[in-house]
Amino acid sequence: NAGVTQTPKFRVLKTGQSMTLLCAQDMNHEYMYWYRQDPGMGLRLIHYSVGEGTTAKGEVPDGYNVSRLKKQNFLLGLESAAPSQTSVYFCASRRGGASTDTQYFGPGTRLTVL
Amino acid sequence: AQSVAQPEDQVNVAEGNPLTVKCTYSVSGNPYLFWYVQYPNRGLQFLLKYITGDNLVKGSYGFEAEFNKSQTSFHLKKPSALVSDSALYFCAVRVRQSGGSYIPTFGRGTSLIVHP
Repeated sequence: NAGVTQTPKFRVLKTGQSMTLLCAQDMNHEYMYWYRQDPGMGLRLIHYSVGEGTTAKGEVPDGYNVSRLKKQNFLLGLESAAPSQTSVYFCASRRGGASTDTQYFGPGTRLTVL
Repeated sequence: AQSVAQPEDQVNVAEGNPLTVKCTYSVSGNPYLFWYVQYPNRGLQFLLKYITGDNLVKGSYGFEAEFNKSQTSFHLKKPSALVSDSALYFCAVRVRQSGGSYIPTFGRGTSLIVHP
């Protein structure tokens, strides 16, 4: 049971390049989330999904797209990277159904956009 | 709109002394409150949560938190700090949204430094 995994762990992009971050969970969780973490800003929600085939915008969705084609995977895409998207990205999942259950976080992806 | 505040960017405490990491919240309904810890270069790990019932919640690694409805606070505490407790701590609140989902809001985090 690997929990929540993220690929890649590190990435450096040039402005304008695109990339996809992959989040995978093996806990059969319904809900999945993408956050970015910046110094002094805490965690901010980018997009989330409450089930396979569904996605919704969070607090800071601009410049990102997501897809949840399979229940276990949640992809975060950057179509045209900007330096402002330099951050650490965390994926999380939770069982869903009950509003009180715990989120499980991945180890993070450190992205630098030059 | 819901929000959560962690008024201290950093808390310093000597090993063996009690520690408190503060959290206050603002919500329009009944809050579900969480504490998470983040060690360097790691993801967040769940510590404890308050849903309902006893205002004093006990969690992992000897941590506890007290829910105070009148002061809208959920401070994290530990009777005797360890150097290994040094980490970044996040408070989070979850409230039902208008569409029926529950979206968590995180505080900015408090860096706890325990000195030997």
